[in-house]
Amino acid sequence: EADIYQTPRYLVIGTGKKITLECSQTMGHDKMYWYQQDPGMELHLIHYSYGVNSTEKGDLSSESTVSRIRTEHFPLTLESARPSHTSQYLCASSEWRSSGNTIYFGEGSWLTVV
Amino acid sequence: GQQLNQSPQSMFIQEGEDVSMNCTSSSIFNTWLWYKQDPGEGPVLLIALYKAGELTSNGRLTAQFGITRKDSFLNISASIPSDVGIYFCAGERDDKIIFGKGTRLHILP
Repeated sequence: EADIYQTPRYLVIGTGKKITLECSQTMGHDKMYWYQQDPGMELHLIHYSYGVNSTEKGDLSSESTVSRIRTEHFPLTLESARPSHTSQYLCASSEWRSSGNTIYFGEGSWLTVV
Repeated sequence: GQQLNQSPQSMFIQEGEDVSMNCTSSSIFNTWLWYKQDPGEGPVLLIALYKAGELTSNGRLTAQFGITRKDSFLNISASIPSDVGIYFCAGERDDKIIFGKGTRLHILP
């Protein structure tokens, strides 16, 4: 069972507002990720981190930013939200074993920008 | 770049039927993962496969890591209403995880 937590689960905000989506994991995983997913659609990687002070942009361009000051915490920030940012944001972390890499997801944060 | 081709995109079945879906790629992967996502939730790991040829079961679910390392399939036996959702495959190599576009499973009343 994965111990990865996202808050808020649901958020409705006005255009131009700054928001931060929180993500925490208690498994000690070095790698963490943010995916963006529209309802019923595929997953798009927007940010990832290999450890503290490491952040990289993913395959899908995003106006959001991330930080990784602590291993267990990987928040995502939108400085000025727009309706086009309306989507589900999924945080994940992965565990590397000698047998392979396994990724675990949080429950997601649904963002609606009006 | 690397791509996973997941099929079918959607399935409409009767309760009790068996289900089969697969993912293929032109690239070799070291790990294959299968997830289920319910509406409004995050994907939940169903089965992880780490070795070519590996066949693993989780209740009514069975998944296999293809011997060429370029494909994997997931079977669900005797489907029930709670099997409805989106199933994603994922392949991992060189520290990168690539997801398929999902198979949407619908169960007809």
